[in-house]
Amino acid sequence: KAGVTQTPRYLIKTRGQQVTLSCSPISGHRSVSWYQQTPGQGLQFLFEYFSETQRNKGNFPGRFSGRQFSNSRSEMNVSTLELGDSALYLCASSGSSGRYHSGANVLTFGAGSRLTVL
Amino acid sequence: AQKITQTQPGMFVQEKEAVTLDCTYDTSDPSYGLFWYKQPSSGEMIFLIYQGSYDQQNATEGRYSLNFQKARKSANLVISASQLGDSAMYFCAMREGTHGGSQGNLIFGKGTKLSVKP
Repeated sequence: KAGVTQTPRYLIKTRGQQVTLSCSPISGHRSVSWYQQTPGQGLQFLFEYFSETQRNKGNFPGRFSGRQFSNSRSEMNVSTLELGDSALYLCASSGSSGRYHSGANVLTFGAGSRLTVL
Repeated sequence: AQKITQTQPGMFVQEKEAVTLDCTYDTSDPSYGLFWYKQPSSGEMIFLIYQGSYDQQNATEGRYSLNFQKARKSANLVISASQLGDSAMYFCAMREGTHGGSQGNLIFGKGTKLSVKP
């Protein structure tokens, strides 16, 4: 069974540009979440999508947006990039066909997209 | 206030010995779940073990066990018989309640870097 696939794995942008990251969840998973990981702030929740609807959102500025398609694939977009947006962006999926463990909906993460803003 | 506290930035352990990674949490929600993830240098977050707040027994998964002390609000990860491949960052995380069905919002600690010595 294929895992969570994130593309691209690495990318370099300059300040002011925008970037789009893609995430393909595990087949059958309808929930996709995004996290930002930086050395200073650690792992921070960005947003969660379920059946094409944003279900939850973290404390990030409006420059960070996302969407989910009918096949559950998700994209996140960061506009007007700042140096502080340099980070590892992790996508995770969960769902009824995913791994249940004692009633939990375990998040399965992708390998991440490492964004460098120059 | 931090909701997940991991007080050990780095730990060393000798190969084949056991090691305990500390995690304390803070929540007023009676329903919550606690997770441990491993992040090797490749970046992917790997699920290790889960403990629900209502689970009567401590969770175990192979060489991983969770020492859950609810009154102390601690959920320490115990790795038995350490292997060189266990060298990685380890993150403790919590999901509070169900928040209208939201599954994706995990609160992560800052992590502990475990180094296994041969």
